[in-house]
Amino acid sequence: NAGVTQTPKFQVLKTGQSMTLQCAQDMNHEYMSWYRQDPGMGLRLIHYSVGAGITDQGEVPNGYNVSRSTTEDFPLRLLSAAPSQTSVYFCASSFLSTGLGSPLHFGNGTRLTVT
Amino acid sequence: GENVEQHPSTLSVQEGDSAVIKCTYSDSASNYFPWYKQELGKRPQLIIDIRSNVGEKKDQRIAVTLNKTAKHFSLHITETQPEDSAVYFCAASKVNNDMRFGAGTRLTVKP
Repeated sequence: NAGVTQTPKFQVLKTGQSMTLQCAQDMNHEYMSWYRQDPGMGLRLIHYSVGAGITDQGEVPNGYNVSRSTTEDFPLRLLSAAPSQTSVYFCASSFLSTGLGSPLHFGNGTRLTVT
Repeated sequence: GENVEQHPSTLSVQEGDSAVIKCTYSDSASNYFPWYKQELGKRPQLIIDIRSNVGEKKDQRIAVTLNKTAKHFSLHITETQPEDSAVYFCAASKVNNDMRFGAGTRLTVKP
């Protein structure tokens, strides 16, 4: 199993450009999520999904869109990039246990710079 | 939404000493509390977790305790080694796995 695969690893955008960060998992996990990591601020939840066709907002959703058309894929779209979106982005997935949380499996991250 | 606070933000210990990192959470509905270790330039990796029906869990040199009444949980690392140096994150989540993280603790173990 490849686990959680994120592409690209690095990306530089100009302000106003759009792009999609890709995330795929091969573990048949129901739950998928996107986090951004900034120095001193830990991991902040952007959006998450508990299954195909279902998405919800996390702590910092503004400026980002997601969709979940299949169990395996959960792309994150930046509609109009801003310098404040410079960050490291992690995709994570897990099973959904009945009544209890489950450990997240993280991808290797995408380092995004917006100039 | 859930708010997780983590202390201290940095921690420096001598090799062989113990290290303790503490977290508090705000939402009493949270029932799963994992700890992640992140080495420089790498992804976070789970090191230990605890569920709300358990008060303490141990795995070799690492232990986690949970006080549901006070809404706090702690990570204990004994006999620290230089390879324990990393950033450690606590997290809390509810039944839908909406997981919120603390800001992290940078642990340095000096040889």
